[in-house]
Amino acid sequence: GAVVSQHPSWVICKSGTSVKIECRSLDFQATTMFWYRQFPKQSLMLMATSNEGSKATYEQGVEKDKFLINHASLTLSTLTVTSAHPEDSSFYICSAITTGPRKFFGPGTRLTVL
Amino acid sequence: AQTVTQSQPEMSVQEAETVTLSCTYDTSESDYYLFWYKQPPSRQMILVIRQEAYKQQNATENRFSVNFQKAAKSFSLKISDSQLGDAAMYFCAYSQNTGFQKLVFGTGTRLLVSP
Repeated sequence: GAVVSQHPSWVICKSGTSVKIECRSLDFQATTMFWYRQFPKQSLMLMATSNEGSKATYEQGVEKDKFLINHASLTLSTLTVTSAHPEDSSFYICSAITTGPRKFFGPGTRLTVL
Repeated sequence: AQTVTQSQPEMSVQEAETVTLSCTYDTSESDYYLFWYKQPPSRQMILVIRQEAYKQQNATENRFSVNFQKAAKSFSLKISDSQLGDAAMYFCAYSQNTGFQKLVFGTGTRLLVSP
C-alpha cells in the first residue's frame, strides 16, 4: 500500500529556534497534502492544506507566518515551525491523497520545545 | 461548521466479545463521508472503515461494521470478535463530499481489550 513518511520522528529544540519537518509520499504522487496537529490525549486538528506548486491554505486560527508550509514537489511537503516556543510542543502529522481517492497518514513527528 | 462528537472517552471489551463505539456529527451538507480511524500506540493513523452518506447500506470490513443513521446523524462502529490488537484510540471523522479532503475528527475513544 501507499506509504507516507515523516522526518524527523522526534525533534527537541530550544525556544526561539526554527524546526523543519518533512513529509514524503514514497510510492505515489500527492497533489494535496495535509498537516494536522495533535496535542497529548487530544484529537487531530487540521492546520493547513498544501497543494503542490501553490500556497498552502491555512485553517482559521493557524498563524501562517509561524507555520510555514512548502509543497515544492509532488512527493514532498515541509512544515517549518518558526521561532518555536514551548506551547508549540505537539505531535505533527501529515497526510497525502492518492488516486481513489485514498488518504494515507504519516507516522507523525513529535516536537518538544525546551 | 461541522462537528464530530464522541461521547465515550474510554470503552472496555473482552477478547472475542463485541463492542460498539458511538459517534454523532452535525452538518448541513447532504453529501459527505464518514470514517473511523484507529490510532495505536505507534500514533500511526489507520483507516478502519468509511461510509459515503449517499449510500444507505452500512459499510462493513471484516470484523468491523457501522450503523449509519443519516437522519439522526449517528455513525457507530461495531467491532466483533474483539482481539488484543484492536486496543487503540478510535477516532470518528467527517469529510465533505469531495471525500478524504479536510477531515474533522472527534475527540476519540480509547478501546481497552482484556484477555
